[in-house]
Amino acid sequence: GAGVSQSPSNKVTEKGKDVELRCDPISGHTALYWYRQSLGQGLEFLIYFQGNSAPDKSGLPSDRFSAERTGGSVSTLTIQRTQQEDSAVYLCASSLALNSYGYTFGSGTRLTVV
Amino acid sequence: AQSVAQPEDQVNVAEGNPLTVKCTYSVSGNPYLFWYVQYPNRGLQFLLKYITGDNLVKGSYGFEAEFNKSQTSFHLKKPSALVSDSALYFCAVRDKGPNAGNMLTFGGGTRLMVKP
Repeated sequence: GAGVSQSPSNKVTEKGKDVELRCDPISGHTALYWYRQSLGQGLEFLIYFQGNSAPDKSGLPSDRFSAERTGGSVSTLTIQRTQQEDSAVYLCASSLALNSYGYTFGSGTRLTVV
Repeated sequence: AQSVAQPEDQVNVAEGNPLTVKCTYSVSGNPYLFWYVQYPNRGLQFLLKYITGDNLVKGSYGFEAEFNKSQTSFHLKKPSALVSDSALYFCAVRDKGPNAGNMLTFGGGTRLMVKP
C-alpha cells in the first residue's frame, strides 16, 4: 500500500481480555518495527522483524506480549490478559531493509484498558 | 547502548520568531540522526536525517538541523516559526557500527507551541 496501515485506530478493552493489533507495512518493505508510546513518554521499542523473523524479542514488556509476521507482510501484535498499564499508543513502522535510513510510521492504535 | 536526550519537555515561541528544539545523543560509534514530528492523533512523520557529509541538513517544512560531533548534538531549527508547526517533535539515533542494533532509539519528545 501507499503507507503503513494500522488497525484498529482505537481499541477499548476490559482488563484481562486479549487484544490483537494489526500492521500492514508498505509493500516491499522487508523490515517492520513495533513501538509503544505511553502518555507523556517517548517511544519504547518493542520488537522488529526482518522478513518473518524476529531475532530479538527482549524489548517486549512481558510474556503477555507476542508478535508475528506472515508472508513478509502483515504483522500482528497480541497482548494477552491486558492490564491497565498496557494502555498506550502502539506504533508500527516499516523500512525497505534493516539498514535503511529511517522508518515510515503508521498512525498507530490507541489502546485503552478499562 | 545508544540514547537520546531532549532536555525540554516544551518549547514556546512566538510566530515569526526563530525556534530551536534541542537534542543530544550518545552512541558508541558514529551516528545516524533523525527528526520526526507528530501531529495530534497521527503517526510520526519524517522531517530530516543526518547520515554523512555536511553538518547542516535541511528537511521538510523549512526545518534544518546541525550535527555537532564535539557536542554530540543535533538541534532542530527553523528561522521563522508558524502556528502550524505546533506539534510533538522527536529526535532519534542509530549507531552506524557493525554491531549496532537495528532499531532507532528515540528521545522523550519536545512539545513545540507556537503562539500567534
